[in-house]
Amino acid sequence: EAGVTQFPSHSVIEKGQTVTLRCDPISGHDNLYWYRRVMGKEIKFLLHFVKESKQDESGMPNNRFLAERTGGTYSTLKVQPAELEDSGVYFCASSPRDNGYEQYFGPGTRLTVT
Amino acid sequence: QKEVEQNSGPLSVPEGAIASLNCTYSDRGSQSFFWYRQYSGKSPELIMFIYSNGDKEDGRFTAQLNKASQYVSLLIRDSQPSDSATYLCAVNGEYSSASKIIFGSGTRLSIRP
Repeated sequence: EAGVTQFPSHSVIEKGQTVTLRCDPISGHDNLYWYRRVMGKEIKFLLHFVKESKQDESGMPNNRFLAERTGGTYSTLKVQPAELEDSGVYFCASSPRDNGYEQYFGPGTRLTVT
Repeated sequence: QKEVEQNSGPLSVPEGAIASLNCTYSDRGSQSFFWYRQYSGKSPELIMFIYSNGDKEDGRFTAQLNKASQYVSLLIRDSQPSDSATYLCAVNGEYSSASKIIFGSGTRLSIRP
């Protein structure tokens, strides 16, 4: 069974540009989560999808971040315009059920904003 | 105050010894408690979860929970060099946010041969 995949693995962009991160969950997993870890800090929850619906987006930092999951399969996280403080590692996780026991994490996308 | 606090380490333990990792949390409403292992440059991997007071054992790993003291620990017996990693303590919230995991910043563990 393929795990959670994320693309790209690394992105370097300039301040003010736009970047779109993609996450493909494990097949059949209705729940999809985005987290991020900025330098020196803990991993922080961003939002949770159940199928195509946003269940909890309380962790989204501001309106420069837009997450979508059209069709309830893969998800994208767009940052527009990117700021220096957006640099970090963005993780995606998926789970078959809405709990914390079965979240499988992807390898992450390392975003560097210069 | 951070929601989940861990000593950042590094914690150095000789091979074969017991490694003891500790964590405290601030929200008394937390329901479940997790330990993730993260190798450098890799994704977090869940190794243990616990939701009842007491001990839970799985192979060489034992998780301990004390809700009254808001304290969680992870013991690794017979430590191996392959156990060298960052260990993340995490909790989830009450029912409406059960799937929202709150992480500590991690403890770096180094097993010396």
